[in-house]
Amino acid sequence: DPKIIQKPKYLVAVTGSEKILICEQYLGHNAMYWYRQSAKKPLEFMFSYSYQKLMDNQTASSRFQPQSSKKNHLDLQITALKPDDSATYFCASSPTNQAPLFGEGTRLSVL
Amino acid sequence: GDSVTQTEGLVTVTEGLPVKLNCTYQTTYLTIAFFWYVQYLNEAPQVLLKSSTDNKRTEHQGFHATLHKSSSSFHLQKSSAQLSDSALYYCALSDRTGANTGKLTFGHGTILRVHP
Repeated sequence: DPKIIQKPKYLVAVTGSEKILICEQYLGHNAMYWYRQSAKKPLEFMFSYSYQKLMDNQTASSRFQPQSSKKNHLDLQITALKPDDSATYFCASSPTNQAPLFGEGTRLSVL
Repeated sequence: GDSVTQTEGLVTVTEGLPVKLNCTYQTTYLTIAFFWYVQYLNEAPQVLLKSSTDNKRTEHQGFHATLHKSSSSFHLQKSSAQLSDSALYYCALSDRTGANTGKLTFGHGTILRVHP
């Protein structure tokens, strides 16, 4: 059974709309992350949270907003979607000083 | 800024022959950790190897890598490639000095294709 659950697995959106990508981890990890993988770029770090606090934000656009309602949740809200936002978004988690374990990703297509 | 360079976008090798995937880096971090992640088609990346000790060989699933700080490299090698090794391989580094150790900088990835 997957320990990091991402929903939905596939998502199609129209330009200008807003979507929320869901991530829950059942590993007891204190740190959670979002990464993005697109055709044009390698795996790219977006955000990191530790104990529900934002640790780092490498995403230039404010259209991307992480939301942590519980310590094992880290959702990603994306507003005003653009075709360039089309990518696979991976949620990951780790204990302190360990390599992140990745979820299976949400594949977002913006038309 | 920090960067990881994987010079080959695609490596093709015959089953049973050795394979080497190159990884070099530039970083301002004083204490670093390195990883090789493998991503099979339509799956999540998963850790294959990790190391933070200079000149120490690390091995897993037949693959091995040695961190060489003198040459800023962490190449991945295997003595006998298998068909099941075909996948996308990422080299990545992280800063070990702070609390944000899960923030990885990835290379562009190397596709390994093993053919019969």
